[in-house]
Amino acid sequence: AQKITQTQPGMFVQEKEAVTLDCTYDTSDQSYGLFWYKQPSSGEMIFLIYQGSYDEQNATEGRYSLNFQKARKSANLVISASQLGDSAMYFCAMREVISGTYKYIFGTGTRLKVLA
Amino acid sequence: EAGVAQSPRYKIIEKRQSVAFWCNPISGHATLYWYQQILGQGPKLLIQFQNNGVVDDSQLPKDRFSAERLKGVDSTLKIQPAKLEDSAVYLCASSWGGPDSPLHFGNGTRLTVT
Repeated sequence: AQKITQTQPGMFVQEKEAVTLDCTYDTSDQSYGLFWYKQPSSGEMIFLIYQGSYDEQNATEGRYSLNFQKARKSANLVISASQLGDSAMYFCAMREVISGTYKYIFGTGTRLKVLA
Repeated sequence: EAGVAQSPRYKIIEKRQSVAFWCNPISGHATLYWYQQILGQGPKLLIQFQNNGVVDDSQLPKDRFSAERLKGVDSTLKIQPAKLEDSAVYLCASSWGGPDSPLHFGNGTRLTVT
């Protein structure tokens, strides 16, 4: 079974509008972390936002917010006021503890295209 | 703070040749990861080091891939002999190891095997 599922291979959004990128996860752990990364065409992976499993408030970082619904095991990324520079691949990742060490597992990604 | 350094940026080799990638993590980061990212997919963990010890190499094709982190700082990943299916981006990442610690990635090495 997939640990991290991103069901949207590609998304389009109009500049200045908000967009939600979906991520669901599967774990039996009580303690875990969820991360979102941006990968522009240049290839580097840029950390955007983090949500811990015990955090009661949704994480926010500037224009990025994470809609965390623990019971549904979803951690969707919301980008507000989209900009052309937001066009990139976006990856959801989960950090688990396995055999006493932290493991980071990535989804297959969503390609976002922002339209002018 | 200097980021994760990787080299080379690009490499083209023929199948059955060997290749090596180098990574220098962020200073003070004890944990180092090598990921393989095939075009259109998410990164897949190859090997994880904690200081100079291997923590997880369960997904490393050990018949052709090897990696070391001798002094607990920089690391080298080697492929010998390369196959066509090894064409991918090889990403190095490091973290300081806390529960909320994100992975910090280098720019990656894009390998093309012809």
